[in-house]
Amino acid sequence: DAGITQSPRYKITETGRQVTLMCHQTWSHSYMFWYRQDLGHGLRLIYYSAAADITDKGEVPDGYVVSRSKTENFPLTLESATRSQTSVYFCASSESRGDIGETQYFGPGTRLLVL
Amino acid sequence: AQKVTQAQTEISVVEKEDVTLDCVYETRDTTYYLFWYKQPPSGELVFLIRRNSFDEQNEISGRYSWNFQKSTSSFNFTITASQVVDSAVYFCALSRESGGSYIPTFGRGTSLIVHP
Repeated sequence: DAGITQSPRYKITETGRQVTLMCHQTWSHSYMFWYRQDLGHGLRLIYYSAAADITDKGEVPDGYVVSRSKTENFPLTLESATRSQTSVYFCASSESRGDIGETQYFGPGTRLLVL
Repeated sequence: AQKVTQAQTEISVVEKEDVTLDCVYETRDTTYYLFWYKQPPSGELVFLIRRNSFDEQNEISGRYSWNFQKSTSSFNFTITASQVVDSAVYFCALSRESGGSYIPTFGRGTSLIVHP
């Protein structure tokens, strides 16, 4: 049972380049999320998706694009990377039975360095 | 707007001491959920507990216990007889409904260091 995976685990890129972080879950969970984790800020929600083809902005969406054509995949794209986007990115998923108390399950994270 | 405050940025204890991690939240909703997650040095985030807003019973799981008090909007986490393996960053989170979906809000985390 693979659960939720992220790739790559580590990425170094340069300012202005496009970067896509991949997230894949095997549970068929409805909800998927992208967070970034920075010192002093904890986890901040970038985007989330309630189902395939349904996405919505979180707290810090600027500079990011998401898509969800399939339930199991939720890629996050930095269209033109900036140094301020250097961070650790976590993908998460949760079931939805109409219950707001669903537990989120997190991927292992992707460490992104933008030079 | 909802908010989660973990005022303790870092706590340092010696093994076998008891330690309490504070979590204070703000929300206008009557229905919401509270969570605690653990992030050990390896980096993954591990779910510990969830509690809904209608259930104020305290919970104990081994050396871990949680004290939920709606009157003070707090959901504190206590580790009894701490161990070195408890060293981690602990996050408190609040989940509420917004427009048919739900959006969780995390606190900034408390780094717990347990010394041998």
